[in-house]
Amino acid sequence: DQQVKQNSPSLSVQEGRISILNCDYTNSMFDYFLWYKKYPAEGPTFLISISSIKDKNEDGRFTVFLNKSAKHLSLHIVPSQPGDSAVYFCAARNQGAQKLVFGQGTRLTINP
Amino acid sequence: DVKVTQSSRYLVKRTGEKVFLECVQDMDHENMFWYRQDPGLGLRLIYFSYDVKMKEKGDIPEGYSVSREKKERFSLILESASTNQTSMYLCASSPQHDQPQHFGDGTRLSIL
Repeated sequence: DQQVKQNSPSLSVQEGRISILNCDYTNSMFDYFLWYKKYPAEGPTFLISISSIKDKNEDGRFTVFLNKSAKHLSLHIVPSQPGDSAVYFCAARNQGAQKLVFGQGTRLTINP
Repeated sequence: DVKVTQSSRYLVKRTGEKVFLECVQDMDHENMFWYRQDPGLGLRLIYFSYDVKMKEKGDIPEGYSVSREKKERFSLILESASTNQTSMYLCASSPQHDQPQHFGDGTRLSIL
């Protein structure tokens, strides 16, 4: 039972354009959402998060949008840069819990 | 900067062996986690610990156990390794549940 789903295994975007990564969830008790970025042979690094009381959070080139009614989360990267090429994981946490539930990941490739 | 160190980057073991994966964090974090990452499945939680000598099962604990004798160290034990435990193992820590988890670089374990 996959509670957090990233339905696109891969995404290819031209350098300078916007990258949009999507994530859907099924558990309405999730109250905190995160995006992680992972390069090969390294551990995931935290990118940006959003609480369920907000619908948008921005940090530089990265913006996360939360649509609670649709149970949908998206990460926008603009402008996209070659160094953004990585696997991106979304994750969610249940209210009061400590563990995270991760999606399957989306491999983003930025083409020059 | 938070440092989560996993003792081995690559490990090759034989079926039936008892395998120990070690993880140390240097930021006095209360929470520590063990995940495995497999293609198409994302990160799946094996076990976590929110205090010394405390442990909680994650989503896939079968075939694994853990030990947390000191706050900074969290060990994952494969009691009798099997080929389906060949995977990338990731350790993470966090100070409290409202903070992002910080990951080590992973141990790629092959069971032959």
